[in-house]
Amino acid sequence: GNSVTQMEGPVTLSEEAFLTINCTYTATGYPSLFWYVQYPGEGLQLLLKATKADDKGSNKGFEATYRKETTSFHLEKGSVQVSDSAVYFCALSTSNAGNNRKLIWGLGTSLAVNP
Amino acid sequence: DSGVTQTPKHLITATGQRVTLRCSPRSGDLSVYWYQQSLDQGLQFLIHYYNGEERAKGNILERFSAQQFPDLHSELNLSSLELGDSALYFCASSVRWGLADTQYFGPGTRLTVL
Repeated sequence: GNSVTQMEGPVTLSEEAFLTINCTYTATGYPSLFWYVQYPGEGLQLLLKATKADDKGSNKGFEATYRKETTSFHLEKGSVQVSDSAVYFCALSTSNAGNNRKLIWGLGTSLAVNP
Repeated sequence: DSGVTQTPKHLITATGQRVTLRCSPRSGDLSVYWYQQSLDQGLQFLIHYYNGEERAKGNILERFSAQQFPDLHSELNLSSLELGDSALYFCASSVRWGLADTQYFGPGTRLTVL
């Protein structure tokens, strides 16, 4: 079946450190891949997405590349800030036999950035 | 602000009771999704409606039901509440239901069952 596996948190980094949050998936067909972020006390919001193999999504200094050969969509940022402290969710969008679209979510990775 | 509104923000009730959560999607969005977020189970997809029709069901209990009205707002009804139903309930909306569509999340309703 379809699934998303994210690295477990919490991840704690110092400001300006390099961030990688790993995400791998299993899916049939050609899913779209997403990273959502949830800041404390808020709902989720889209961070970036990629809709086909080798696409790179980017936003606010974050990047992720859709790698079909390794079934991965790792999130990276070159220099994190305290304001990046949040929970990050990897998700894939696929459809079932009835052509009903479904988002499959990872468990989320908590990131804490210290000044 | 995502443009998705949810009411109420907080809800405290007792076991065995019934509650209704309300969601208004972004203007122009036809799809509404409901999610449950708890500490032990993470983010769980409950149900998806598109233009008034149910499109997909996830891990939704039989005690829970939802509907989407002609004005596209949606309600999630939770009945015979149990302690374990305490969670954050999110609503999200999207324009249609394409694979690449972005889902826009509301701020959530925090349900506490005592």
